[in-house]
Amino acid sequence: EAQVTQNPRYLITVTGKKLTVTCSQNMNHEYMSWYRQDPGLGLRQIYYSMNVEVTDKGDVPEGYKVSRKEKRNFPLILESPSPNQTSLYFCASSLKTGAEAFFGQGTRLTVV
Amino acid sequence: DAKTTQPPSMDCAEGRAANLPCNHSTISGNEYVYWYRQIHSQGPQYIIHGLKNNETNEMASLIITEDRKSSTLILPHATLRDTAVYYCIVRVARRSNDYKLSFGAGTTVTVRA
Repeated sequence: EAQVTQNPRYLITVTGKKLTVTCSQNMNHEYMSWYRQDPGLGLRQIYYSMNVEVTDKGDVPEGYKVSRKEKRNFPLILESPSPNQTSLYFCASSLKTGAEAFFGQGTRLTVV
Repeated sequence: DAKTTQPPSMDCAEGRAANLPCNHSTISGNEYVYWYRQIHSQGPQYIIHGLKNNETNEMASLIITEDRKSSTLILPHATLRDTAVYYCIVRVARRSNDYKLSFGAGTTVTVRA
C-alpha cells in the first residue's frame, strides 16, 4: 500500500531535549516536505527536499533541521525543542512538483 | 501562486450533492486548481485537480469556469465521512524550483444526517 509513515504519532518532551520525527515513503517519490499546523495559522511549510541531498527552507524553518540521505526518508530534527514548537506535524511526498501530494497521519508534539 | 477565496463553512445534507465554491480571480494561464481535504487532525488528502477542463474521479468532480476565475468542487452524494475542511489551492504544476502547497483557511464542510 502506498503510504507516508511518520513516527511517533504522539510525543511529549521537555525543553531542550533533542528529538527526531521520522518520515518514510514507499512510493519512490522525489519530493518530500514537512509542515506544521497550528490553530488559526493553518498548515505552514517548514522544509522541503527536491531529491536526495537537496533540501531547502520553507516558510518557518527556524529551530528545525532536516536531512535527505536516502530517497525514502526525510527526518525532521529538533535540536533544542522549545514550547513554541508544540504543534501537529505532517510529512508529505509527491512524485514531482505539481503531482498529488501524499501526507502522513501526523505527529502531535508537545514540548513542556 | 494565485490567492483563493473560499467560504469559511457550509452545511450539507447526507446523500445530497455538496457544491464547494472557490474564487481565484488572479489565476495565471499555467496555474492548476487543486483540491485537498483534511478530516479532523488527519493528514490532508488529495481529491482532484484541473487546468481548464472539467475533471471527475471516484471522489469528486471539479468544474472550472470558462474564464478560470472560479471553480466548484462537487461531492455527488455526501456522506458523514465527508465532513472535513476542504482546501482549494492554485499553483503552477511542474515548476522544478519550488515545491510548496499553500493551504489557506479552507471551507469547513459539515454533513448532517
